[in-house]
Parts: sequence; C-alpha cells; structure tokens
Amino acid sequence: DGGITQSPKYLFRKEGQNVTLSCEQNLNHDAMYWYRQDPGQGLRLIYYSQIVNDFQKGDIAEGYSVSREKKESFPLTVTSAQKNPTAFYLCASSINRDRANSPLHFGNGTRLTVT
Amino acid sequence: AQSVSQHNHHVILSEAASLELGCNYSYGGTVNLFWYVQYPGQHLQLLLKYFSGDPLVKGIKGFEAEFIKSKFSFNLRKPSVQWSDTAEYFCAVNGGFKTIFGAGTRLFVKA
Repeated sequence: DGGITQSPKYLFRKEGQNVTLSCEQNLNHDAMYWYRQDPGQGLRLIYYSQIVNDFQKGDIAEGYSVSREKKESFPLTVTSAQKNPTAFYLCASSINRDRANSPLHFGNGTRLTVT
Repeated sequence: AQSVSQHNHHVILSEAASLELGCNYSYGGTVNLFWYVQYPGQHLQLLLKYFSGDPLVKGIKGFEAEFIKSKFSFNLRKPSVQWSDTAEYFCAVNGGFKTIFGAGTRLFVKA
C-alpha cells in the first residue's frame, strides 16, 4: 500500500539540541509539505517543496530547515533556534505541484517533546 | 493573504442530530476548498473537496458542503450524526501552491 511514513512516532529531546524528523512517501507525489499542529491553532505550514532540490518557506519557517534531495524524502530539522518546538508535526504530499485542487495525503505524525 | 476561519472550536451533539460546521475563507482569486477529518488515533484524511461546478459537494460518510462564493463560505453539513463521527474537522483552502487550514472544530457525538 502506498502512503506516507513518518518516524519516529514520539521523540524527546533536550533543549538546545537539533532534531530531525523523517518523512518518506511512496506515492510518487511531486509536492511535499510540513505542518505543525497545535491545539486550537489548526495546522500551520512550515515548509513545502514542489519538486526535488527546491523548497519554500511556509508561514512559520523560523527555527526549521528542510532538504529535498530525493522525491520520496522530505526530512525536517527542528533547530535550537525554534523557540517553542514542542508540538505535533505532520508531513503531507500531493500529486502535482501545479494542481491546486490536489488533496493532501498525510502521515501519522511525530509528536516532539523538548524539555 | 489567505486565511480560514472556523466558527466553532468545540461542538457536542447527540446521535441523530443535524450538524453544520461553519467555515469562511479570505482569498481574492480562484480557490479550491477542502474539508479534512481526523478521527481519534488516525491520520488526517480528505472528507470532501470543491474546485468547480456544482457548489454542493458530497463526500464520504454522508457529509456534504456548500460553497457560497458571495459569502466566502464552505460550510460542512450532515443531516444525522453518528457516534462514529466524533473527530476533529478542518476546513482548508488552496489558491496556489500551498494549503491553509482553519483552527479545527472538535465534534463529540454522544451515544
């Protein structure tokens, strides 16, 4: 079955450490996205990538970095510069960067706790 | 800038009651509108979408939504809810390359 795999499901880190969240998809989708979900705030876009080796900042990119070296993979690094990193992180993909009506397919998420 | 506003953060209904969740968006151009649902312990999934044609769209599990362009609204409805509809519902809009979500509405259906 095709889908999006995020790992790990739960992640704990000490303040001041960088941490990388994994996202892999086997849907052959062009576009990939990272969202952060906080209670009462919905999903906020961190970064998105429409094609390999290209990505754009979303609405809350500060303190995060990404790479898109392969079509299947879009890892997110939460750096020590992110002031409030504890959150639920969702990775998503869509079939085609040029089709705004393409729905998003989501992974199961990674819950990051920084203490 | 695009934005999405969902009117209710928490809704509690009894089984068989009718449901309407409000969603308004702000965007000047052509938009594509979505409702996503997140059942407890599951990943977000598409409930229904609108991008052109009939403004009344039907989705899975008996849900429907009506696009009213003049009101910038895309409200979600279901005539009779079930306990299994307990979930969080997100309205979303895409006018270009990125999808913007509302804050979500948590629905709890009492058996």
